[in-house]
Amino acid sequence: SQTIHQWPATLVQPVGSPLSLECTVEGTSNPNLYWYRQAAGRGLQLLFYSVGIGQISSEVPQNLSASRPQDRQFILSSKKLLLSDSGFYLCAWKAPLGRAFGETQYFGPGTRLLVL
Amino acid sequence: AQKVTQAQTEISVVEKEDVTLDCVYETRDTTYYLFWYKQPPSGELVFLIRRNSFDEQNEISGRYSWNFQKSTSSFNFTITASQVVDSAVYFCALSGNSGGYQKVTFGTGTKLQVIP
Repeated sequence: SQTIHQWPATLVQPVGSPLSLECTVEGTSNPNLYWYRQAAGRGLQLLFYSVGIGQISSEVPQNLSASRPQDRQFILSSKKLLLSDSGFYLCAWKAPLGRAFGETQYFGPGTRLLVL
Repeated sequence: AQKVTQAQTEISVVEKEDVTLDCVYETRDTTYYLFWYKQPPSGELVFLIRRNSFDEQNEISGRYSWNFQKSTSSFNFTITASQVVDSAVYFCALSGNSGGYQKVTFGTGTKLQVIP
């Protein structure tokens, strides 16, 4: 079965510090990977998605970036955090189109980021 | 463009009452999938159901049931005999074939509080 991991679970960082959040998926190959952000009490905002190693699509211009160094690893980064970067960050995966249930996204446990 | 509307921001019910969460969608895609996710206080989004646009049969799973009506572009979710554990934010979502099902459009969510 497939599992998705995110770490850290919670993070408190000062403004201007760097950020690195990691997401890994087990039990599947060549997944599509996604980063979402959810501000407190708000809906989901898609930040980045990737259909393969080194392939990143950015949805929202901001001071965040994403990388996919390995097939099942997706990293969200920032060189200098802003207060507005606080939120709940969710990673999701889905099977490639054509594979069973290739239209459904499955989410990880999330990372709560507080920028002070 | 696709759009998912969850007009109910918050709902409170007393335990054992039935509750229906509304979802209305807009899409020009000929084929699409509709989803419901549950987000408990822990934060992780839990996949509940997927429905193909060609399949208008209602579905029941235990206390949960879903009513898909293409004529009114609605995909409503009913919880029968609600329990405190049902307290969560529920998201309706849509993914269409024009985008290769790569991305999902989420509604803004309905927060359900079940009072003991």
